[in-house]
Amino acid sequence: AQSVTQLGSHVSVSEGALVLLRCNYSSSVPPYLFWYVQYPNQGLQLLLKYTTGATLVKGINGFEAEFKKSETSFHLTKPSAHMSDAAEYFCAVSFSGGYNKLIFGAGTRLAVHP
Amino acid sequence: KAGVTQTPRYLIKTRGQQVTLSCSPISGHRSVSWYQQTPGQGLQFLFEYFSETQRNKGNFPGRFSGRQFSNSRSEMNVSTLELGDSALYLCASSLGTGENEQFFGPGTRLTVL
Repeated sequence: AQSVTQLGSHVSVSEGALVLLRCNYSSSVPPYLFWYVQYPNQGLQLLLKYTTGATLVKGINGFEAEFKKSETSFHLTKPSAHMSDAAEYFCAVSFSGGYNKLIFGAGTRLAVHP
Repeated sequence: KAGVTQTPRYLIKTRGQQVTLSCSPISGHRSVSWYQQTPGQGLQFLFEYFSETQRNKGNFPGRFSGRQFSNSRSEMNVSTLELGDSALYLCASSLGTGENEQFFGPGTRLTVL
């Protein structure tokens, strides 16, 4: 069965520090991988996605993620955190045979302090 | 391009009642998926509709149902509401294949008393 694990339900960083949010997946077939962000009382917004091709993916707001098949990981990074990055982040997978069913991780709440 | 819209945004019901939530996808998108978000269970897939046909279904009881109309608008219905159905219900639309991103609406916050 496919699953997604996000290590760390809460991550706290200082403004200007590196952001690293971890995501590992379990799958028997090649996955499509996504990172979404959710601000309070809002829906989810796509940050970036990996489907095929280049394994380093750049997204919006300075975020990027690298697909590492050997480690079954898709960690999200941002070189310098901004106060506006405080939100909840979700890693998700889907599959070519699964149509549009997204399987989400439990989420990581990112706090950014001055 | 207008985004995904969901109505109503907030809803309060009592146990045993039923509720219908509505979702209007982005123009041109034929796939609509529904998700339930709760603090305890996180984000869980309910079902997906594509061209008026349910293509995929999550592990939810039969009290949860949906449909899609010819204009791709979708509704989900929950009958005989239980306290545990209190959640944020999110709708997402896409072009229809797994690698396409899903665009989410703002959600409907359902509270069951």
